[in-house]
Amino acid sequence: EAGVAQSPRYKIIEKRQSVAFWCNPISGHATLYWYQQILGQGPKLLIQFQNNGVVDDSQLPKDRFSAERLKGVDSTLKIQPAKLEDSAVYLCASSLDREETQYFGPGTRLLVL
Amino acid sequence: SQKIEQNSEALNIQEGKTATLTCNYTNYSPAYLQWYRQDPGRGPVFLLLIRENEKEKRKERLKVTFDTTLKQSLFHITASQPADSATYLCALCSNSGYALNFGKGTSLLVTP
Repeated sequence: EAGVAQSPRYKIIEKRQSVAFWCNPISGHATLYWYQQILGQGPKLLIQFQNNGVVDDSQLPKDRFSAERLKGVDSTLKIQPAKLEDSAVYLCASSLDREETQYFGPGTRLLVL
Repeated sequence: SQKIEQNSEALNIQEGKTATLTCNYTNYSPAYLQWYRQDPGRGPVFLLLIRENEKEKRKERLKVTFDTTLKQSLFHITASQPADSATYLCALCSNSGYALNFGKGTSLLVTP
């Protein structure tokens, strides 16, 4: 069974630029999550989708971050404009349903200069 | 405010010994608690889930306990091996929603 795929793996941008990350969850998984993990911290949930609807985006900085999940499968997370403090690893995870085990992708490491 | 606290200092133990990691929480009413392993440059990998009405769960060399009175979970790795060296994350799912809230993690180093 293929795991959660993410791209790109690494991205370096300058502050005020925009960036987008892509996630392909495990086939059949209804729930998709985006987390932000700052160095030395645990993952922090940014947004949670159930199929193509948003369940929880309470910690998403909506003035600069946006996310969508097209047709309930792939998802993109965008930051525009980026700030220095957005430097982190962005993890995508999926699960069969909201209470099930979450399977994480390898993450995208973002450095904002 | 809600807090999840894990040992901030790295845990160094000798191969063959039992590693015990602690997760304490405040202002949560967790429906369940999970433990994940994270290696450098990789995403977390699920290890064990324990529900609020369970006291203990085992899987091979791993054991998790959950004390909702003390608001604490203990994670044990018996007969530890150098391959067990990683960061271990505790995560809570509250009754009020389905989002996972993670602790900062504890780094474990098992030396031969």
